Amino acid sequence: GAGVSQTPSNKVTEKGKYVELRCDPISGHTALYWYRQSLGQGPEFLIYFQGTGAADDSGLPNDRFFAVRPEGSVSTLKIQRTERGDSAVYLCASSLGPGLAGYTGELFFGEGSRLTVL
Amino acid sequence: SQQGEEDPQALSIQEGENATMNCSYKTSINNLQWYRQNSGRGLVHLILIRSNEREKHSGRLRVTLDTSKKSSSLLITASRAADTASYFCATARGGADGLTFGKGTHLIIQP
Repeated sequence: GAGVSQTPSNKVTEKGKYVELRCDPISGHTALYWYRQSLGQGPEFLIYFQGTGAADDSGLPNDRFFAVRPEGSVSTLKIQRTERGDSAVYLCASSLGPGLAGYTGELFFGEGSRLTVL
Repeated sequence: SQQGEEDPQALSIQEGENATMNCSYKTSINNLQWYRQNSGRGLVHLILIRSNEREKHSGRLRVTLDTSKKSSSLLITASRAADTASYFCATARGGADGLTFGKGTHLIIQP
């Protein structure tokens, strides 16, 4: 697609439920990132994929959070046993991989998925 | 943790005036980027300045970088109501790819 697409745009769930958030990056972008943004704050890094593998998952807050990118394109962020503190906007971004022609380090963001845990 | 810290946290000016936002960071960088976020939207890349550059222009935007002070500034000239948004500086996350963002400056342009 022309840009990074994230679904759903809004998700309301109850405490303890399981949630999946999907990200469809720009075609040809090998690098994919998940960030979390709370109200009034900047985006907080969660996880980075280069191709299919998670190159850096140091930002995941705990083992309730997991992300996959099985075919090196679409990624899914999975949150188990949701808590009220998980409420935030989850942003996905993609970029050309480092070392590839045209790589600048610029990230292209989706519009985000707003998660509300009641 | 957040590498960049912007100030001021909020800025309100009249349309037509210039807006200046500052960013300080802690570690060595290869480049520094500025992004803009309209309310409820994703972030949009504005400009990138490399560590060996001191100043860069793009339209009404002017970015400076002082690596000795670990600081950068973003100047928006002749501001417009449509410039109302949050502005974030971002630096590379050490050896890993991806960016670390500051808390942002919320800019309001009064018509």
